[in-house]
Amino acid sequence: ETGVTQTPRHLVMGMTNKKSLKCEQHLGHNAMYWYKQSAKKPLELMFVYSLEERVENNSVPSRFSPECPNSSHLFLHLHTLQPEDSALYLCASSPRGRLAKNIQYFGAGTRLSVL
Amino acid sequence: AQSVTQLGSHVSVSEGALVLLRCNYSSSVPPYLFWYVQYPNQGLQLLLKYTSAATLVKGINGFEAEFKKSETSFHLTKPSAHMSDAAEYFCAVSDPTDKLIFGTGTRLQVFP
Repeated sequence: ETGVTQTPRHLVMGMTNKKSLKCEQHLGHNAMYWYKQSAKKPLELMFVYSLEERVENNSVPSRFSPECPNSSHLFLHLHTLQPEDSALYLCASSPRGRLAKNIQYFGAGTRLSVL
Repeated sequence: AQSVTQLGSHVSVSEGALVLLRCNYSSSVPPYLFWYVQYPNQGLQLLLKYTSAATLVKGINGFEAEFKKSETSFHLTKPSAHMSDAAEYFCAVSDPTDKLIFGTGTRLQVFP
């Protein structure tokens, strides 16, 4: 139990669907991250929230829309995805903001398949 | 720009043998360096980190890594592999904007 919970663990969706990924952290951290993990590629940082304010958006297509309603919850809203968006989506959190020296704690991820 | 290179996408060792996973980095500033491990169907978990204190860093599960500035390396070692060490290992370096740059990972297989 890492203290970071992601739901669902697996998701299959069509290209016209709308779905959301949820992440919840029970660690009292104030920074949260979305990463995309694809086979044979480095983890790609998608979004960072610090104190509920988005501080990083790495040229992610608009079909991915993050939401951070409070410091414990992070969502990734998905719509009209493409097959190349199939990947493992990881959520992470870290204490005291997004300083790189801070350890990031990861959830188990949501395995997304876009048909 | 910061980058991380992990040599060898797959490493296989026998149980009880030395584990050596290689990581080289490039950084324009003194780096923070990390090794994370990912077990099947799980997220990443921190093994150890270097933050400019001792150059030999000890982590969990008997792993350690040595920061060598002259070689820009941060290789991960364990004297004796255990079956439970089979996993994917990621090296990461911080960049000046406090972002973590990850390598592509090395999958470790341990044979009995």
